[in-house]
Amino acid sequence: DAKTTQPPSMDCAEGRAANLPCNHSTISGNEYVYWYRQIHSQGPQYIIHGLKNNETNEMASLIITEDRKSSTLILPHATLRDTAVYYCISSIYSGYALNFGKGTSLLVTP
Amino acid sequence: KAGVTQTPRYLIKTRGQQVTLSCSPISGHRSVSWYQQTPGQGLQFLFEYFSETQRNKGNFPGRFSGRQFSNSRSEMNVSTLELGDSALYLCASSLGQHREKLFFGSGTQLSVL
Repeated sequence: DAKTTQPPSMDCAEGRAANLPCNHSTISGNEYVYWYRQIHSQGPQYIIHGLKNNETNEMASLIITEDRKSSTLILPHATLRDTAVYYCISSIYSGYALNFGKGTSLLVTP
Repeated sequence: KAGVTQTPRYLIKTRGQQVTLSCSPISGHRSVSWYQQTPGQGLQFLFEYFSETQRNKGNFPGRFSGRQFSNSRSEMNVSTLELGDSALYLCASSLGQHREKLFFGSGTQLSVL
């Protein structure tokens, strides 16, 4: 079961891109990388996931390295409402997830 | 489409009591999983129910139990409460397939005094 490593905290100025890294060097070939975020006192919210190709949706972009050992979540134009804890998860099983870790606490400043 | 609903939102209990938390999944979802979140341990998986059966279980003592009803609603029970059980309890629902994303409720904040 692959573990993920994320920096505990990051800052980003409002309007700039926020780039959140995640290391998942032991991820297996068929495991997806998922990103969730948790705004204070709420449940985690799904952002995006990917296997090996880069992905983009209305919330963010996900860049996965060719060797799949790391990935970066990009919030292209961060707003104050993006202040949250961001979790990178390397595996979701049938109906549940393990290893949320401590995530990265992103602070977006005016 | 309504999201995942957890009740109550806040709960205060004393040591030794028991507590029951409720989770209503998104309509059509058959899997409900439960998590405990504390500042020190982060988000930890408790158990997962699918079609009224416990399918997976995390590493928690037997005081933590749950069940799922035929309409997929789930309850979680903690008996003989301890101070360390103070936490945010979250549930998530999904169709229950491998690698499928989870939808979380807002959680129940339990305080044990």
